[in-house]
Amino acid sequence: NAGVTQTPKFQVLKTGQSMTLQCAQDMNHNSMYWYRQDPGMGLRLIYYSASEGTTDKGEVPNGYNVSRLNKREFSLRLESAAPSQTSVYFCASSEVAGLGSYEQYFGPGTRLTVT
Amino acid sequence: AQSVSQHNHHVILSEAASLELGCNYSYGGTVNLFWYVQYPGQHLQLLLKYFSGDPLVKGIKGFEAEFIKSKFSFNLRKPSVQWSDTAEYFCAVRDFQKLVFGTGTRLLVSP
Repeated sequence: NAGVTQTPKFQVLKTGQSMTLQCAQDMNHNSMYWYRQDPGMGLRLIYYSASEGTTDKGEVPNGYNVSRLNKREFSLRLESAAPSQTSVYFCASSEVAGLGSYEQYFGPGTRLTVT
Repeated sequence: AQSVSQHNHHVILSEAASLELGCNYSYGGTVNLFWYVQYPGQHLQLLLKYFSGDPLVKGIKGFEAEFIKSKFSFNLRKPSVQWSDTAEYFCAVRDFQKLVFGTGTRLLVSP
């Protein structure tokens, strides 16, 4: 049981390049999330998918797109990377169903540098 | 929408000192509250959570938190910290189907 996995772990891009960050979970969770973590800013939600087939914008969606490929996988795409997107990206999942839920499980993160 | 404030950005303690980290959320009603910890170079892990019932919540590694509804607070405590508690701590509150995180508190425990 791997939990939440993310690939790649590290990536360096040049300004204007595109890339897709992959995330998968094996806990049969309905909801998945993408965050970015920057010093002094905490975690900020980029996009989330409350259930398979739905996606919604979070706090900082500009410059990103997402795809909920199936219940397990939720990818984040940077179409034209900018230096402001240099960050650590975390994927998370949770089972959103009734009381006692909403706890999120996090992946190991992707450290992205855009030069 | 909910928001979360963590007023202590950096805390430095000696081993065996007591810890209290502040967390306030923006509005009442039914709230679900969380504390997560991020050890250096690692991902976030859940320390404890509050959904209902006893406002004093016990978590892993000797941590506890108290939900005080009248103060909109959910402060994290530990009676005696260890060097291994050096980490960043995040408070979070549920906002519909999402969690809203605070900006985090970096704790450094010196041996």
